[in-house]
Amino acid sequence: EVQLVESGGGLVQPGGSLRLSCAASGFTFSSYWMHWVRQAPGKGLVWVSRINSDGSSTSYADSVKGRFTISRDNAKNTLYLQMNSLRAEDTAVYYCARELQYCTNGVCWENWFDPWGQGTLVTVSS
Amino acid sequence: SSELTQDPAVSVALGQTVRITCQGDSLRSYYASWYQQKPGQAPVLVIYGKNNRPSGIPDRFSGSSSGNTASLTITGAQAEDEADYYCNSRDSSGNHLFGGGTKLTVL
Repeated sequence: EVQLVESGGGLVQPGGSLRLSCAASGFTFSSYWMHWVRQAPGKGLVWVSRINSDGSSTSYADSVKGRFTISRDNAKNTLYLQMNSLRAEDTAVYYCARELQYCTNGVCWENWFDPWGQGTLVTVSS
Repeated sequence: SSELTQDPAVSVALGQTVRITCQGDSLRSYYASWYQQKPGQAPVLVIYGKNNRPSGIPDRFSGSSSGNTASLTITGAQAEDEADYYCNSRDSSGNHLFGGGTKLTVL
């Protein structure tokens, strides 16, 4: 069974740090781009960050750029999100998700997330 | 623009057809994917690509696209379809965008 399981969430004070993990199983983790998506309480989904299959390329939403770092350990089948300088507005459930793509002539017109993990709650509060 | 726009809420009578739309410039270049999210649960993929359903998704769910607009159609809506629905696409830099979500109520 293809599965993603997040961990590492919790309560942290403003300005603090936290590292989230996402353990993958049931598929060849090293072959896929991976993403973090978050959802503040009562709000919609917001894309946070992505990393390519070998970890050589990363990208971030403007709201977390310079504070969050995405990484992966393909030997451990695990995705990470290091979150520094946390703010109240970072409070959210954080999901990891696998990206699948359908590409023709080197262009990937079709991209989707499947599966998603169950999420881990990060609360930033004093 | 780098946004995807969805109507905040839509309602449909039980057994009727409803269309949920998503607008954005990125949709002129990339197909949308659609996710269903029920309270307290993680999102679930329901439609991807031109009009593809993952295994286990009922065939009453379908997708279409024209210009800068993608649509998710539920033909014969059931009570269990009541949920939030989100569209998503990538942009030219490889980043991703989500719509604000549409809350579907089945009457």
